[in-house]
Amino acid sequence: EIVMTQSPATLSVSPGERATLSCRASQSVSSNLAWYQQKPGQAPRLLIYGASTRATGIPARFSGSGSGTEFTLTISSLQSEDFAVYYCQQYNNWPPNTFGGGTKVEIK
Amino acid sequence: QVQLVQSGAEVKKPGASVKVSCKASGYTFTSYDINWVRQATGQGLEWMGWMNPNSGNTGYAQKFQGRVTMTRNTSISTAYMELSSLRSEDTAVYYCARGRPGLNWGQGTLVTVSS
Repeated sequence: EIVMTQSPATLSVSPGERATLSCRASQSVSSNLAWYQQKPGQAPRLLIYGASTRATGIPARFSGSGSGTEFTLTISSLQSEDFAVYYCQQYNNWPPNTFGGGTKVEIK
Repeated sequence: QVQLVQSGAEVKKPGASVKVSCKASGYTFTSYDINWVRQATGQGLEWMGWMNPNSGNTGYAQKFQGRVTMTRNTSISTAYMELSSLRSEDTAVYYCARGRPGLNWGQGTLVTVSS
């Protein structure tokens, strides 16, 4: 089973600043990596798939990069609505389609 | 628009089974896999398994093998996830999601296991 490790667990950022979130896979997942945003009491929302393709309706301030085992989600200028928990998920080697443990982006 | 509407909250006793439904609309039900994911309170996302609504083929995470069954009724565009031999650790919100990765998600169904 592929293990997905996200860092940091918590990221404190001021509005308007850039946030950089990392996700590492225990073995190569090619570009079959997705990022989700989840707010309290809500279902996850797909942000990025294929490591770097924004899902429909996702603002351009969200970008994804990486391939193989190292991936990054960048939020270029944090808006108030971006404070949430972010998860990565690999869907290359499945089952299972494993998730990372999440990164909470909080207001500094 | 695409919608996945799940059944309501459930309270079950240890050892019982629960069956959660996920009714799809706004797309061709048989064209996308349905994945099931759960989340215990304050915890991360845990992938449980998938089903191909066209063929009925399924794949389950090792952790749930033997306890979970995913089925569908194509005539009403509805997927089902049944979890048996419930224990307190199964208390969680259960989500269905369209596609791999999850393009759209249901609203979640809280399953509480308590004696």
